[in-house]
Amino acid sequence: AQSVTQLGSHVSVSEGALVLLRCNYSSSVPPYLFWYVQYPNQGLQLLLKYTTGATLVKGINGFEAEFKKSETSFHLTKPSAHMSDAAEYFCAVSERSGAGSYQLTFGKGTKLSVIP
Amino acid sequence: GAGVSQSPSNKVTEKGKDVELRCDPISGHTALYWYRQSLGQGLEFLIYFQGNSAPDKSGLPSDRFSAERTGGSVSTLTIQRTQQEDSAVYLCASSLSGRSYEQYFGPGTRLTVT
Repeated sequence: AQSVTQLGSHVSVSEGALVLLRCNYSSSVPPYLFWYVQYPNQGLQLLLKYTTGATLVKGINGFEAEFKKSETSFHLTKPSAHMSDAAEYFCAVSERSGAGSYQLTFGKGTKLSVIP
Repeated sequence: GAGVSQSPSNKVTEKGKDVELRCDPISGHTALYWYRQSLGQGLEFLIYFQGNSAPDKSGLPSDRFSAERTGGSVSTLTIQRTQQEDSAVYLCASSLSGRSYEQYFGPGTRLTVT
């Protein structure tokens, strides 16, 4: 069964500092990996995804993530934090289930605070 | 274009009552998912619909939960005899097809059981 671990339920960074949100996964097959962002009282918005090909993936709002198979990791980074990045971030893995769906398995989430 | 919509946005109900939550997927999307987001359990998969195929109900937590999808579009999630532990945000997502792994989420319905 697949699972996702996000290290740190809360992360605080100063405005302009590097953002690093950690995600490790377990999967029995090559996974599809995702990062979603959730702003207060809103649904989930896809930031970026890895399916196949280039292991460094660029997403919206200046975020990127690197798939490292040997470390089973998919950490999210952004060189310079902005106040508008304050939100909760979820890492997710998708595998094709026996019933044929690509249901997502999510980590517990990391709440990012940006300090002015 | 229009995204996934859900209604109501908030629902407060008394313990023991039945509730219905509605999801309108993106037009043309054949796959539809329901997830539940709660403080204790995080985000959990509930059920999956793809076209006219039998749904994948493997994530439904009890037989009080059921869902249907009419005409391959709108879906309704029904919770019977609600319990306080059912309080959560219920999120719906759709994707272009069952083979598409990119899911688009609605804003969710916040259910509070008193």
